Amino acid sequence: GAVVSQHPSWVICKSGTSVKIECRSLDFQATTMFWYRQFPKQSLMLMATSNEGSKATYEQGVEKDKFLINHASLTLSTLTVTSAHPEDSSFYICSASSAGGSYEQYFGPGTRLTVT
Amino acid sequence: KNQVEQSPQSLIILEGKNCTLQCNYTVSPFSNLRWYKQDTGRGPVSLTIMTFSENTKSNGRYTATLDADTKQSSLHITASQLSDSASYICVVLSDYNNNDMRFGAGTRLTVKP
Repeated sequence: GAVVSQHPSWVICKSGTSVKIECRSLDFQATTMFWYRQFPKQSLMLMATSNEGSKATYEQGVEKDKFLINHASLTLSTLTVTSAHPEDSSFYICSASSAGGSYEQYFGPGTRLTVT
Repeated sequence: KNQVEQSPQSLIILEGKNCTLQCNYTVSPFSNLRWYKQDTGRGPVSLTIMTFSENTKSNGRYTATLDADTKQSSLHITASQLSDSASYICVVLSDYNNNDMRFGAGTRLTVKP
């Protein structure tokens, strides 16, 4: 089955620094990747949708200058949290889908970000 | 107001017992409905995907039902195991481009020995 990986699985950083999270589709080409954040005991909230080679589309209320998304290849998307603050601490999950209108969206294992 | 409502919010059952989780939605138009299992600290894993014309779909001990007329779905777990302890998330897709997913808040299931 399709596998999506994320790296790192967890990261602790100091307030004011930037953190990059990678999302890779390991055995398929992901034309579209999605980034979510999830707070404890809450469901996933879509942050942005990125298509390979295009600028990401951000959901309302998500700062595009703070959460930089790059989808430079069909197997890799990155999310960079710039000038991180403690309130950015969350569980970040990516998902990927392939071309052709497939129903399936494959989720990565998530990255736990803690900003101190 | 969330367009996908799940109940109960949490559930505790004994190992070996069956349980049913509910999902009601108001999302329109409707493309398909999915149930995911999410272990703590992990990403969601797909259990079933159901389109408008499908009433029932099984995946091992998991059986999902869909009533598109009443906009209700259920996930039935048979002979529960300790490893079934997780959050179960109902997701409804509004478009055919896979880009408009509406997430329920999830049901937290705990299976005790």
